[in-house]
Amino acid sequence: DADVTQTPRNRITKTGKRIMLECSQTKGHDRMYWYRQDPGLGLRLIYYSFDVKDINKGEISDGYSVSRQAQAKFSLSLESAIPNQTALYFCATRGTGLQQPQHFGDGTRLSIL
Amino acid sequence: QKEVEQDPGPLSVPEGAIVSLNCTYSNSAFQYFMWYRQYSRKGPELLMYTYSSGNKEDGRFTAQVDKSSKYISLFIRDSQPSDSATYLCATLYSSASKIIFGSGTRLSIRP
Repeated sequence: DADVTQTPRNRITKTGKRIMLECSQTKGHDRMYWYRQDPGLGLRLIYYSFDVKDINKGEISDGYSVSRQAQAKFSLSLESAIPNQTALYFCATRGTGLQQPQHFGDGTRLSIL
Repeated sequence: QKEVEQDPGPLSVPEGAIVSLNCTYSNSAFQYFMWYRQYSRKGPELLMYTYSSGNKEDGRFTAQVDKSSKYISLFIRDSQPSDSATYLCATLYSSASKIIFGSGTRLSIRP
């Protein structure tokens, strides 16, 4: 089983719909992250959380919200989806310590029509 | 100006060639440097990790950091078709809580 699991893997929806992307991890890490990836723009941080009671905005949080339901679960919501939120979304976890790498899920490909 | 700049490519080389992938960064406080590899339809995975200046070698891969010019490189020797992927450089400084990624270079190794 994957250490970081994202659901769904693909989603097509319409403008204005509410969407939730889910992430769960089995690595026991406290730190979890949501990124979006667009061609030419790389990975941009949306939100991150260092524990269940800690939520922080990243560089592009407008239009998104998150919920950290448990240490292992971190979900991303688009309250009212718009076409420019069409992208590849990645969840990641990281252990404490500067030399700890990030562990990514396999992504959710989201298309908003 | 982006904190980490990376040529997006694509870069196409024949099998067996030496590949050089490069990034520049703007903040001299960055101390930790990483290379991630991302295959199509997969998440990025850590390939190499270096601290401060110098070289680090792991099999066919060598990561190089030149802090004086704010330049980081990844060299791949005897490149294989299985090395075809997008390579992302990344960095952080000691007090940082977030890793900063370059935009990625798409590499294709022709058999």
